[in-house]
Amino acid sequence: ILNVEQSPQSLHVQEGDSTNFTCSFPSSNFYALHWYRWETAKSPEALFVMTLNGDEKKKGRISATLNTKEGYSYLYIKGSQPEDSATYLCASSPDGTYKYIFGTGTRLKVLA
Amino acid sequence: DTGVSQDPRHKITKRGQNVTFRCDPISEHNRLYWYRQTLGQGPEFLTYFQNEAQLEKSRLLSDRFSAERPKGSFSTLEIQRTEQGDSAMYLCASSIGLAGGSGANVLTFGAGSRLTVL
Repeated sequence: ILNVEQSPQSLHVQEGDSTNFTCSFPSSNFYALHWYRWETAKSPEALFVMTLNGDEKKKGRISATLNTKEGYSYLYIKGSQPEDSATYLCASSPDGTYKYIFGTGTRLKVLA
Repeated sequence: DTGVSQDPRHKITKRGQNVTFRCDPISEHNRLYWYRQTLGQGPEFLTYFQNEAQLEKSRLLSDRFSAERPKGSFSTLEIQRTEQGDSAMYLCASSIGLAGGSGANVLTFGAGSRLTVL
């Protein structure tokens, strides 16, 4: 994998459903993996920065895991709410560079 | 501090005109970044400042683009002789520079400046 790839591109879930997305990134020269949430007409908001293989982070109903050896991260949302509707972006920083490489995002719509 | 501010939020211009975007970062952040997002893509790195020094400029930026950060405070991104391909969301972000690698720095983004070139 040369680029950061996210899947799915978009999804709709019902309120209360749990969901997860995938971010795949180059595993060589790994330094850090970032997750951001971007609501329409607002600023992208940082969710997590993960650096260690096996890392697991949690913020309320949202959690993320990291596998640096195989180059993927999962973002989980438990009990989705309409306010979780947003685009979720991941970004890799190979070699510790400040030139973060972003994926194209997963657009989540939570239906009430 | 109200976060990172960008102005204008929306700009519609005719091809060939010049446009300038302004970014006011969080005051204690010494690092400032510009990214561009086009339809269907993720944000792409454009340029980076540490204090007032522009340390890197992406190959994406042609000679028509120039960015400044006088006195290490606010930054401007100017596009001369705009083309339709310049239509995009221009995002500014800032961060505190940590010792060692930069890759774990959390970026605080502004809401972006959306440019439409007719």
